[in-house]
Amino acid sequence: EDQVTQSPEALRLQEGESSSLNCSYTVSGLRGLFWYRQDPGKGPEFLFTLYSAGEEKEKERLKATLTKKESFLHITAPKPEDSATYLCAVRGGYQKVTFGTGTKLQVIP
Amino acid sequence: GAVVSQHPSWVICKSGTSVKIECRSLDFQATTMFWYRQFPKQSLMLMATSNEGSKATYEQGVEKDKFLINHASLTLSTLTVTSAHPEDSSFYICSARKSAAGDSYEQYFGPGTRLTVT
Repeated sequence: EDQVTQSPEALRLQEGESSSLNCSYTVSGLRGLFWYRQDPGKGPEFLFTLYSAGEEKEKERLKATLTKKESFLHITAPKPEDSATYLCAVRGGYQKVTFGTGTKLQVIP
Repeated sequence: GAVVSQHPSWVICKSGTSVKIECRSLDFQATTMFWYRQFPKQSLMLMATSNEGSKATYEQGVEKDKFLINHASLTLSTLTVTSAHPEDSSFYICSARKSAAGDSYEQYFGPGTRLTVT
């Protein structure tokens, strides 16, 4: 069974304090790793898809990287508007997408 | 763009009644839509996969007679919670995958529907 573990559960940063969120996974034949952002009471918003180890993608202050066992979401100089829950998900060889429980990020001005 | 809408955004119903939730892809066609359920501080739990023109595929443990899914067109899927009970209260979210997207499996999510059964 595919598994996704995200850490930390919650992270509190000062504005401008860079950090990384971790997503560890076990999957039979990775067909894609996804990062989403979810604001309270709303559906997830798609951020990135990574397909193979060594791949990196960037969007504004966010950068996602992928190894064979984990993915990192690096946040550079975060702003209060980056506060949200960040979800990681994997798609395995059985086509199913499995989500982690997320990291709740709070950026304090 | 890839915009998905849900209606209603929240609903309160009495125990024993049925509630229908609509999920629409507004600016793209979606051969596949997904229905999730999310409890507070928990991850998204896939309930079923809905393919246009065919029967939905339900995940293990999800009662197909209780959660009726219809995907009648390339832009609309509905979830009907039948004979709702308080334990069905949850946040229901749909997502859609773009058609003809190759091997891409990016899902675009709706804003969710908060169901409260009294």
